[in-house]
Amino acid sequence: GAGVSQSPRYKVAKRGQDVALRCDPISGHVSLFWYQQALGQGPEFLTYFQNEAQLDKSGLPSDRFFAERPEGSVSTLKIQRTQQEDSAVYLCASSLRRRGGTNEKLFFGSGTQLSVL
Amino acid sequence: QKEVEQDPGPLSVPEGAIVSLNCTYSNSAFQYFMWYRQYSRKGPELLMYTYSSGNKEDGRFTAQVDKSSKYISLFIRDSQPSDSATYLCAMRALIQGAQKLVFGQGTRLTINP
Repeated sequence: GAGVSQSPRYKVAKRGQDVALRCDPISGHVSLFWYQQALGQGPEFLTYFQNEAQLDKSGLPSDRFFAERPEGSVSTLKIQRTQQEDSAVYLCASSLRRRGGTNEKLFFGSGTQLSVL
Repeated sequence: QKEVEQDPGPLSVPEGAIVSLNCTYSNSAFQYFMWYRQYSRKGPELLMYTYSSGNKEDGRFTAQVDKSSKYISLFIRDSQPSDSATYLCAMRALIQGAQKLVFGQGTRLTINP
């Protein structure tokens, strides 16, 4: 596909369950970002990869959140022992340019809507 | 207090009206300013970006930045029902290693036919 693909589109989890959210960036895109968007709020930064290197994980809210991009393409965001406050849309975005690029355009996926009951 | 403040609305205007959307920010390091549009159940898409103070025009859209007041605006002329969406301002510092965008809360806009 031409855009950023995220799966699943919707995920319902029971509190305490582990979940894994997948992001397929645009082919050839070097940079990959994860954002969390709560209902009625703007996206909030979680973490950033350049190829397989996780260069910034300052936005991850707790050690229950873990992200990886082992081969520099597909990325997975894992949330362990989910809690109700984790309910949100998780957005993935990718861009072509390397770190330091100033006007790189971010392409967002449609997100995974996570509901923790 | 959030680094970027944006009135969430909702804002409802008739078709053809001029729409003004605004954000204020507190971090002087922000030098790169963007406006995104987000339709329901979709990811944000970039509308406009600018680095400098002043105006930047693209079709019916004009982005305005006033760094001295830490205030940015987006104007939409001849608004259309298809412009109905949530509009997010976003900004970033232009320093080594600063990649993350900081978003406003988003303003929900409805254009009534």
